[in-house]
Amino acid sequence: AQKVTQAQTEISVVEKEDVTLDCVYETRDTTYYLFWYKQPPSGELVFLIRRNSFDEQNEISGRYSWNFQKSTSSFNFTITASQVVDSAVYFCALSEATGANSKLTFGKGITLSVRP
Amino acid sequence: NAGVTQTPKFRVLKTGQSMTLLCAQDMNHEYMYWYRQDPGMGLRLIHYSVGEGTTAKGEVPDGYNVSRLKKQNFLLGLESAAPSQTSVYFCASSLDWARDQKRYFGPGTRLTVT
Repeated sequence: AQKVTQAQTEISVVEKEDVTLDCVYETRDTTYYLFWYKQPPSGELVFLIRRNSFDEQNEISGRYSWNFQKSTSSFNFTITASQVVDSAVYFCALSEATGANSKLTFGKGITLSVRP
Repeated sequence: NAGVTQTPKFRVLKTGQSMTLLCAQDMNHEYMYWYRQDPGMGLRLIHYSVGEGTTAKGEVPDGYNVSRLKKQNFLLGLESAAPSQTSVYFCASSLDWARDQKRYFGPGTRLTVT
C-alpha cells in the first residue's frame, strides 16, 4: 500500500530564513507521481509541482526548489528566503497506477509559519 | 472559467439531519472526487467518479452517498449527519485517470454537525 509521511507537523521560521519541508513515501510501483500542494489560510488547495518517478532532476522555480531522491524515497521541498506569504499548510502526495482508480494519497501536512 | 466550485461554503447541521453538497466544474473533466480534511489527518478520499453516471467508494465512504448525473456536477449526500462528519470537504476534478494528472480543487465546504 502506498503511504506518504510528513514527519514535521509544524515549522516556524523568521522571514528570510531558508526552510526545508520533508516528505518520505512508500510505494511498490516503479512508476508513480509525486505532488506538492499548498493550502494558505484562505483554505484552498494550490498545486505547486508534479514529478514522475523516472525524473530525478531537482527542480527550481523562483524561491522554491524540490529534491527528489529515489534512493531514500524522499521528495523534499525547500523555500529559500522565506516570506510571510509562504505561511501555509503544505501537503506532499503520491499517485500510483491502479487502472481507473488512480489513488492520490496525501501526507498529513506541515504547517509553516513565517514570522516577520 | 470558474474551475471547481462548491456550494455551500459553510453549513451547520444537527445530528440526524441530511444535506447535499454540490460540486461543479467547467473544465470538461471526466474524473471527480470528494475528500474530507480533518486536523492532523491530511485529505482522505470519500468517493470518486470516473465519468457521468458512475461512482465508486474511496477510503472513507461510510455515511456518505454520491451521484454524478451530469458530467459537470458531483453531489455528496449525508443522509443522517453525525458529529464525526464535522470536517472540511473538498471536491476535486482531473482530466483523466492517468497517474500524472493533478487534481483541481474547489474552495472547500466547512461542515459542523452538532
